[in-house]
Amino acid sequence: ILNVEQSPQSLHVQEGDSTNFTCSFPSSNFYALHWYRWETAKSPEALFVMTLNGDEKKKGRISATLNTKEGYSYLYIKGSQPEDSATYLCASWVGSSNTGKLIFGQGTTLQVKP
Amino acid sequence: EAGVAQSPRYKIIEKRQSVAFWCNPISGHATLYWYQQILGQGPKLLIQFQNNGVVDDSQLPKDRFSAERLKGVDSTLKIQPAKLEDSAVYLCASSLDRLRLHNEQFFGPGTRLTVL
Repeated sequence: ILNVEQSPQSLHVQEGDSTNFTCSFPSSNFYALHWYRWETAKSPEALFVMTLNGDEKKKGRISATLNTKEGYSYLYIKGSQPEDSATYLCASWVGSSNTGKLIFGQGTTLQVKP
Repeated sequence: EAGVAQSPRYKIIEKRQSVAFWCNPISGHATLYWYQQILGQGPKLLIQFQNNGVVDDSQLPKDRFSAERLKGVDSTLKIQPAKLEDSAVYLCASSLDRLRLHNEQFFGPGTRLTVL
C-alpha cells in the first residue's frame, strides 16, 4: 500500500511569517502530485498539479516544488495571512494514467494568528 | 460555473440505521469520486465512476456500502446498516475525463456523518 506522509501535522504561525510543509511519497512509478487547500466549512480546492521532477509552481504567495527522484514536495507560504488558515493536503497519483487514483496524506493544518 | 453539489451537509443517525448521500458533479465531468475522510486522516477513495461505469471500488465496504451513478450524472452513496466507525466526512469530487491524473479534482462541501 502506498503511503503519503505530510509533516508537520499542525502548525501555528503569526501573521507575516513565512512557512513551509513537506509531503513525502514513494518515488517509484511516480505519475503526478496534487496539492489541495481545505478551509473549514468549505470545499477542498486544488492549488497545484505537478508532474515533472524539478517543477516549481506559484499562485500568489503560495509556491510548491517537486523532487520525484527522492519522493518529496514542499509547499511554501510567504507572509502568511489569517485567510491562509486551512488544512493543506497533498496526494500522489498511483496506478495507471487511466485507472489510477489519488492517495492522500493526512494533511497539515495551518493556523495563522493575527 | 456551478461547483459540485452535495446534500445533506450534516447527518446524525444511530448505528444500524441507513443513510444516503447525494452528489451532483460539475456539468461535463465524466469522472466522479466518493471519498471518506475520517478525523485525523486524509481522504480515502471509496469508489470512482467513469460516466455510469465503476472504475475502482476496491476500498468500498460492499457488505454495507453501495453507490450508483445512473445516467452518468448525479450519484448516490448509501450505507446500510451504519456502524460507529462510519462517522466521517463524505466528499464527492469530479474531474474531466481526459488525462485524469493531470486533472485537478473539484470537490463538493462534503457531508459530515455522525453515527451514535
